[in-house]
Amino acid sequence: QVQLVQSGAEVKKPGASVKVSCKASGYTITSYNMHWVRQAPGQRLEWMGWINAGSSNTKYSQKFQGRVTITRDASANTAYMELSSLRSEDTAVYYCARGMGSDQWLVRVKDYWGQGTPVTVSS
Amino acid sequence: DIVMTQSPDSLAVSLGERATISCKSSQSVLYSSNNKNFLAWYQQKPGQPPKLLIYWASTRESGVPDRFSGSGSGTDFTLTISSLQAEDVAVYYCQQYFTTPFTFGPGTKVDIK
Repeated sequence: QVQLVQSGAEVKKPGASVKVSCKASGYTITSYNMHWVRQAPGQRLEWMGWINAGSSNTKYSQKFQGRVTITRDASANTAYMELSSLRSEDTAVYYCARGMGSDQWLVRVKDYWGQGTPVTVSS
Repeated sequence: DIVMTQSPDSLAVSLGERATISCKSSQSVLYSSNNKNFLAWYQQKPGQPPKLLIYWASTRESGVPDRFSGSGSGTDFTLTISSLQAEDVAVYYCQQYFTTPFTFGPGTKVDIK
């Protein structure tokens, strides 16, 4: 069955970077887009960006442009999200989520989610 | 960016009764080329990631009970739980996937009365 298992909780100082991993099982990561979504305490879910299944091209929310990098390692069947220049407002739970694979539009819909990785930014 | 709003912020419904959640988008998410609404609904229980319930505004994801239904078009959408069960206590989010950034509503918390 499809599973996405994320790396553990992180505590970072302002200005640092964090890299969260998302290991997929039950399917091949190069066959489905992967999204990254975050949820700050008491806030709504926020889409950060995605990596395209076939091309490895990425698309980021303008809000995070220049600070976020989404990559993948096909040999490890793992996706990564790195966020730099961290500030306190980046304290959140970060999720990876698979895009449905059935058509060019449904890749935008997230059908399986990782368990979430809490990231705390504090001096 | 498309702004998503939901109402109410929270509601309490008796077991077996109907729960209705409204979602509005700041611009239409209906794509004329395929006549589909790019709107999904997710359920999130405490300490868990979101779970996909509905996409294309009204298509239930596989395995989702048929007491969950979605309706609406353009900018106005509704999620209905026809007969609330104890396991439906959660926060429900709508999300548009018409254009990036894909934006979510603020969520509606559903509780048992």
